[in-house]
Amino acid sequence: NAGVTQTPKFRVLKTGQSMTLLCAQDMNHEYMYWYRQDPGMGLRLIHYSVGEGTTAKGEVPDGYNVSRLKKQNFLLGLESAAPSQTSVYFCASTSRGVNTEAFFGQGTRLTVV
Amino acid sequence: AQSVSQHNHHVILSEAASLELGCNYSYGGTVNLFWYVQYPGQHLQLLLKYFSGDPLVKGIKGFEAEFIKSKFSFNLRKPSVQWSDTAEYFCAVMGNYGGATNKLIFGTGTLLAVQP
Repeated sequence: NAGVTQTPKFRVLKTGQSMTLLCAQDMNHEYMYWYRQDPGMGLRLIHYSVGEGTTAKGEVPDGYNVSRLKKQNFLLGLESAAPSQTSVYFCASTSRGVNTEAFFGQGTRLTVV
Repeated sequence: AQSVSQHNHHVILSEAASLELGCNYSYGGTVNLFWYVQYPGQHLQLLLKYFSGDPLVKGIKGFEAEFIKSKFSFNLRKPSVQWSDTAEYFCAVMGNYGGATNKLIFGTGTLLAVQP
């Protein structure tokens, strides 16, 4: 049981390039989230999804797009990378229900030069 | 809207000292509360969680937290810290809409350094 898997684990982009981060979960979870982690700022929610085909903005959505075409996958896209998007990105998933906890991926370290 | 405040940004302790990290949240409904730990270079790990029932919850590695509803607080405690507890600690809140949107919001984190 792999849980939550993020790919890639590391990436260096040039300013203006695009890329997609993939998050895959095998726990049949309804909810999935993308966060970015920056020193002194904790984890900030970028976008999230409450089910296949639905997405919503989080705290810091600008410059990112997401898609949830399949229940198990949640993609985070950067159309035109900027140095301010240098960060560590975490994906998480939870099940629907009253008492749920989040399961996290290992993170993706992205550097934009 | 949900928000989470961690007032201690950087804490330095000597081994065997007691630890208490503050966490306050702002949310009008039922919440699930969490503490996560992140060791240097690693991903987040769940320390403990509160859903309902006994407001004093025990987690891994000797950590515990107390939910005080009237104060909107969920402080993390450990009676005697070890050098291996050096890490960053995050408080998180998930709003419980009874099956609707469950947004998980984090505090800014507390960096704990334990000196041997």
